[in-house]
Amino acid sequence: KQEVTQIPAALSVPEGENLVLNCSFTDSAIYNLQWFRQDPGKGLTSLLLIQSSQREQTSGRLNASLDKSSGRSTLYIAASQPGDSATYLCAAPISGGYNKLIFGAGTRLAVHP
Amino acid sequence: NAGVTQTPKFRILKIGQSMTLQCTQDMNHNYMYWYRQDPGMGLKLIYYSVGAGITDKGEVPNGYNVSRSTTEDFPLRLELAAPSQTSVYFCASSFGQGGETQYFGPGTRLLVL
Repeated sequence: KQEVTQIPAALSVPEGENLVLNCSFTDSAIYNLQWFRQDPGKGLTSLLLIQSSQREQTSGRLNASLDKSSGRSTLYIAASQPGDSATYLCAAPISGGYNKLIFGAGTRLAVHP
Repeated sequence: NAGVTQTPKFRILKIGQSMTLQCTQDMNHNYMYWYRQDPGMGLKLIYYSVGAGITDKGEVPNGYNVSRSTTEDFPLRLELAAPSQTSVYFCASSFGQGGETQYFGPGTRLLVL
């Protein structure tokens, strides 16, 4: 059964720091892994989707890596800004297809000026 | 292109009442999903649909029902509301099961008293 764990649960940093958010999953037979951003009271916005054939994906200041053999993914945020403050969720597909997702509990990030 | 829309945004129900949460997408996506998110937790899959007329259970289907008569709409029905169903409900859609990202609605906050 797929389980997804995210550490740390919360993070508070000063503006400008480089950050690493961690995600681990138990079933390594995944075909992709996704990172989402959730702002308070809002829905989820997809940030990065890494296919199993890829090792990493980049979008602006965000870089996500995927290591299936160790069951880990990391989201790297460069030069953090107050606007990055949000909850970051990773999600892995449940075996059996249909793009059904199992979510971690998220990392709540606060970037202060 | 409105994406995924959900109504209502917020609702208070009494124990035993029924209601339908509405979800509509205008992206011609085949796959649609209902998730619930409890405070401080990740999202859990309630039901999903791979096309009009086809639905199946997710992780936590008890107490809910769904139908999918059109490609655009995927309503979630609560028949006998219980306090354990107090949560935020998110609808999502994706084009297919080939690992595409899911697009989320803004959520419906439900309080059962």
